[in-house]
Amino acid sequence: DAGITQSPRHKVTETGTPVTLRCHQTENHRYMYWYRQDPGHGLRLIHYSYGVKDTDKGEVSDGYSVSRSKTEDFLLTLESATSSQTSVYFCAISESNRGRSTGELFFGEGSRLTVL
Amino acid sequence: QQQVKQSPQSLIVQKGGISIINCAYENTAFDYFPWYQQFPGKGPALLIAIRPDVSEKKEGRFTISFNKSAKQFSLHIMDSQPGDSATYFCAASMYSGGGADGLTFGKGTHLIIQP
Repeated sequence: DAGITQSPRHKVTETGTPVTLRCHQTENHRYMYWYRQDPGHGLRLIHYSYGVKDTDKGEVSDGYSVSRSKTEDFLLTLESATSSQTSVYFCAISESNRGRSTGELFFGEGSRLTVL
Repeated sequence: QQQVKQSPQSLIVQKGGISIINCAYENTAFDYFPWYQQFPGKGPALLIAIRPDVSEKKEGRFTISFNKSAKQFSLHIMDSQPGDSATYFCAASMYSGGGADGLTFGKGTHLIIQP
């Protein structure tokens, strides 16, 4: 298994509170991604990173921010959680080959977030 | 706008049968097409992938068929086993563009193999 650790694995919070999910990798991969998984929607990209302090928005980025201050850590923050952000969040990493992503993503075990 | 459409949403197959899941894409710039398998409570894991320079790729009981002109690709699971029961996702990306912006996924197919 790829060395990806997500924390917390489960969290229940209330509407309006800030939440931070952490993804930690031991593979030294350049690319990191945050996806959310919802029934009927599959996996949708929230944000991704292509290096330290280099991040960009994905398909469903509204209400989310990210930070990557170290190669191994990619943080996803919900500034003010809403019920629509109840979901399972997956972190993924990808190797680079001559500076580009190989395209093959390795996923973590997921973080289940419930916003009441 | 959904760029990768997957069908069926759910599928029940008898043990030993062939499971077939189909995907269609819209963006002709896509050039990398993987399939992921996900068991309950786990993250998706890469099963098999294909690039458009070939029309078919086989790994064990799993085969991807690719039709570039129709912009379609499919996963065939031969001799389906109960252990294959999982959710399957097709995906696509622009590998030649670096693929930095990740994969675009289909909505998934929940496969049940009945013993």
